[in-house]
Amino acid sequence: DTEVTQTPKHLVMGMTNKKSLKCEQHMGHRAMYWYKQKAKKPPELMFVYSYEKLSINESVPSRFSPECPNSSLLNLHLHALQPEDSALYLCASSQVANSPLHFGNGTRLTVT
Amino acid sequence: DAKTTQPNSMESNEEEPVHLPCNHSTISGTDYIHWYRQLPSQGPEYVIHGLTSNVNNRMASLAIAEDRKSSTLILHRATLRDAAVYYCTAFSSGSARQLTFGSGTQLTVLP
Repeated sequence: DTEVTQTPKHLVMGMTNKKSLKCEQHMGHRAMYWYKQKAKKPPELMFVYSYEKLSINESVPSRFSPECPNSSLLNLHLHALQPEDSALYLCASSQVANSPLHFGNGTRLTVT
Repeated sequence: DAKTTQPNSMESNEEEPVHLPCNHSTISGTDYIHWYRQLPSQGPEYVIHGLTSNVNNRMASLAIAEDRKSSTLILHRATLRDAAVYYCTAFSSGSARQLTFGSGTQLTVLP
C-alpha cells in the first residue's frame, strides 16, 4: 500500500471520450506531480503543483489538463487523447521542494 | 536539467553487497541526488537522497563523489526483494524544481 492513492487503477477510453484521473494524499504535502511512464522507460515529468499552483508544465499537449482543487487532491482531465498517449500515469507528492517523492501505483491508461 | 546516466542492467548474488553507479556530470551545486526503485506494476519507491555528504538509511547507503559528478547506491546485502529498476535522479532546488529520471538500472538478484 502507498500513501498516495490513485484512481482508477485501469482505464480504457476512446479517442473522443473525456475522462479524469484522480490522486489523493493526506500526508500534508504541498507539492504534487503528474508523471507519464511508457513501458520499459523512466517516468517523464508532466506537471508540478506547488502550494496548489501550477509551477511546471513540461510542454504537455492541451488534451491533458491538470487541476489541483485543494492541497490533498490532484486531477488530470483527459480529452481527445491519441493511442500513443497510452501509458502508466503516476501521481507523486512531496513535503516541500527537495524532499523525497511519494508515488502512487499509477493508472494504466489505454486509448483505443 | 541535470542529466544522469546509469548502466542498463546489473546482477548480484543474494546476500552480497551491490554497488549501483550513476553519472551526473552536469549537476549543479544545489542539485540533490535522489535514488528511487520500481518494482513491476508499482510506482517508484524512494530509497535515499543526498547533496554532498555520504548518507545512510535503513535501506541503503549513498556515496557521493567529491566532485559530485557521480554517485553510488550501495545495498549492503541484496535480497531477492531488492530486484527492481533503480533510478538515479537529480533535480534543482528553488521554485522551479524539476525531477528528471535517469534511464534506470535493472537489478537482478540471483539466489
